[in-house]
Amino acid sequence: ETGVTQSPTHLIKTRGQQVTLRCSSQSGHNTVSWYQQALGQGPQFIFQYYREEENGRGNFPPRFSGLQFPNYSSELNVNALELDDSALYLCASSPGTGGYNEQFFGPGTRLTVL
Amino acid sequence: DAKTTQPTSMDCAEGRAANLPCNHSTISGNEYVYWYRQIHSQGPQYIIHGLKNNETNEMASLIITEDRKSSTLILPHATLRDTAVYYCIVRAPVTGNQFYFGTGTSLTVIP
Repeated sequence: ETGVTQSPTHLIKTRGQQVTLRCSSQSGHNTVSWYQQALGQGPQFIFQYYREEENGRGNFPPRFSGLQFPNYSSELNVNALELDDSALYLCASSPGTGGYNEQFFGPGTRLTVL
Repeated sequence: DAKTTQPTSMDCAEGRAANLPCNHSTISGNEYVYWYRQIHSQGPQYIIHGLKNNETNEMASLIITEDRKSSTLILPHATLRDTAVYYCIVRAPVTGNQFYFGTGTSLTVIP
């Protein structure tokens, strides 16, 4: 069974640029959630996708957007990067949207905005 | 919004039981208690979850008080590899509902 994978591992961008981060869900999982983790903080929920539709969103501006594909892989896009967007971005997959299902996290993508 | 309160840090001697407390005094009847941990620079790892009854798996035990306002995660024989940040989360089984991680407890296992 393949776990959750994310790419790239590290990324450096400059303020104002756009970035796309990618996530492959664990086999059989149709739900993916994205989180932002600033240094020294716990992960903060960005949004969740279920069967290619956004299924819940945290307190993040519209310049954070996402996609989920038919194979349940996912992308997180961030436009007009700001310095505060520097963080570890985590994706997590689960076999459903219900609260009974634990989420399985990938290793994350470390984004640095200069 | 913070739904749980955890100590910022704890130490535990290797081989001893690590008992990590969590207060969730405003927990609703349908909210589960989840525990995750995050070893430095890795993604969070699921440990255990429960609703009202105590739960045990190969990693840990979860003790939930009768009024459900607090819980304790027990690592029965802590090893150095258990050094991590431990997050206690309450979450209702509602579609799209998110996990609120808070800042967790940083557990250091001492040789």
